[in-house]
Parts: sequence; C-alpha cells; structure tokens
Amino acid sequence: KQEVTQIPAALSVPEGENLVLNCSFTDSAIYNLQWFRQDPGKGLTSLLLIQSSQREQTSGRLNASLDKSSGRSTLYIAASQPGDSATYLCAVPNAGGTSYGKLTFGQGTILTVHP
Amino acid sequence: DGGITQSPKYLFRKEGQNVTLSCEQNLNHDAMYWYRQDPGQGLRLIYYSQIVNDFQKGDIAEGYSVSREKKESFPLTVTSAQKNPTAFYLCASNPLDSNYGYTFGSGTRLTVV
Repeated sequence: KQEVTQIPAALSVPEGENLVLNCSFTDSAIYNLQWFRQDPGKGLTSLLLIQSSQREQTSGRLNASLDKSSGRSTLYIAASQPGDSATYLCAVPNAGGTSYGKLTFGQGTILTVHP
Repeated sequence: DGGITQSPKYLFRKEGQNVTLSCEQNLNHDAMYWYRQDPGQGLRLIYYSQIVNDFQKGDIAEGYSVSREKKESFPLTVTSAQKNPTAFYLCASNPLDSNYGYTFGSGTRLTVV
C-alpha cells in the first residue's frame, strides 16, 4: 500500500527566503507526482505535475524535483512571499490494478511566510 | 474555462437527513472522485468512477452513495447512516492519462446541526 509522507508538517519563514518542502513515498512504481496548494477553506490548486521520467519541473518561482528510485520529491520555492502562505500537498496516483487512478496524499506542509 | 463546479459551498444537515452534494465537470474527463478532508487526517477517498454507470468504493464509503449517469456529473449523497458527516468534501476529475494531473473543485463544507 502506497504511503506518502511530507516533512516538515509546518514551516514559518520570513519573506524573501528560499525554502524546500519534502515528500517521500514508499512505492516507487508511480507514473507521476503532483504538488497542490490549498488555501484555508478552499479546494486544491494544482501547482506542478512531474512525470516519472522527469527529474524536474518548473513554474515561475516553483521547482519540483523527483527521484523515483529513492522515493522522494522536493518542492523548492524561491524568494517566498506572504501570498505563498498555504498548505502544500503532494500526491501520487496508484500505478495499476483496480485502484488505478486513486490519489494517495501526504498530510501536507503548512507554510507561513511573514512580512 | 474548463473546470469542476461543486455546489453548494456550504450545506447544513439535520440528524437523520440525507443530503446530496453536486459535482459537475466540463473537462471531458473520464474519471471522477470524491474525497473527504478532516483536520489532521488528510484527504480520504470515498468513491470514484472511471466510466459512466460504474463506480467503486474508496477507503471510507460507508454511509455514502454515488451515481454516474452522465460523464459530466458525479453527485455524492451523504446518508443518515454516516455517523460523523461534518467535513469538507472535495470532488476531483482526471482523464485517466498519466500525462495529465488531477483537477479539484472548490469544495463543499457540510455541517450537522
């Protein structure tokens, strides 16, 4: 059974810092990994989708890396801003069988960027 | 713009009532999912459907029911058998293609009164 772990559970940084959020998964047979952002009381917004054949994916100040063999992904946020404050979730879909397509989520990292 | 629409945003249920949460997508995605989110417990899968007129139980299906009569729609009914329904409910869709990710709706917050 796939298990996804995110570290740290919470992170508070001053504005302008670069930061790294970590995600690890137990079953390396994944097709892709997706990072989401969730603001309080809102739905999930997709940030980056990184395929199993890719090492990195970038969007603006965000960079996601994937090391499938070691079961790890990182989300790097450059020059953090107060507007980046949110919960960040990583998720992987089950690779096959009858549960194909189901997402397994980590517990999330609560990020606070203070001015 | 394509996306997922969940309604209502807030829903209040009395004890013993059944309530239905709506989820509609115009993305032409094959698969649709319902997740429940509780503080400190992350997201848990309730039901999912990969094709019209077919659906599968997720990890916490007891007390819930769904239907998939149209590709665009996947309503979730929270029945009176669900003993602790107060939670945030999220609907998602995916084209069942590993090159594409999942799209989520904005959620429905259900409260038992």
